[in-house]
Amino acid sequence: AQRVTQPEKLLSVFKGAPVELKCNYSYSGSPELFWYVQYSRQRLQLLLRHISRESIKGFTADLNKGETSFHLKKPFAQEEDSAMYYCALTGSGTASKLTFGTGTRLQVTL
Amino acid sequence: KAGVTQTPRYLIKTRGQQVTLSCSPISGHRSVSWYQQTPGQGLQFLFEYFSETQRNKGNFPGRFSGRQFSNSRSEMNVSTLELGDSALYLCASREGAVGNTIYFGEGSWLTVV
Repeated sequence: AQRVTQPEKLLSVFKGAPVELKCNYSYSGSPELFWYVQYSRQRLQLLLRHISRESIKGFTADLNKGETSFHLKKPFAQEEDSAMYYCALTGSGTASKLTFGTGTRLQVTL
Repeated sequence: KAGVTQTPRYLIKTRGQQVTLSCSPISGHRSVSWYQQTPGQGLQFLFEYFSETQRNKGNFPGRFSGRQFSNSRSEMNVSTLELGDSALYLCASREGAVGNTIYFGEGSWLTVV
């Protein structure tokens, strides 16, 4: 069975501090990993996907198959980063069947 | 382009009733999937439709059903509502069967009393 674990419900950091949102997964095969973000009163939207290997809004995430992790990182947090972040995976042939983690609320304070 | 549109946005139903939720995908998108979001269970996949055919189904009872029309619009139906069906139901669309970004709607808030 596939599973995504986000161990932190809430992560509170100061503006300018580094951010790391943790995500571990369980999947027998080659998964595709994603980070979705939901800002206050907005719809869920894709932040980044591991196959793109790009940085979005200063965030990056590296897939570590050995540790089965896909942690989201940003060197300097901004107030506008405050949101709910969900890690998700999908397997081959089930491209729209996303398995989500429980989410981590990132709170950036001054 | 307009985003994924879901109707109604909010509704209240009584236990035992049934409900139909509607989703209009982004123009040109042929894949529509549905998710249930609750505080206890988080975001859970319900089913996915592509070109009017169900491609994937999550672990939900048969009371949950869906369909997709030739214009890619989709509906999901929940029969014999239970209190535990109270949730935010999200619809998402993508252009093709695989490989494209999934776009979510704002959701339909269902409260069962």
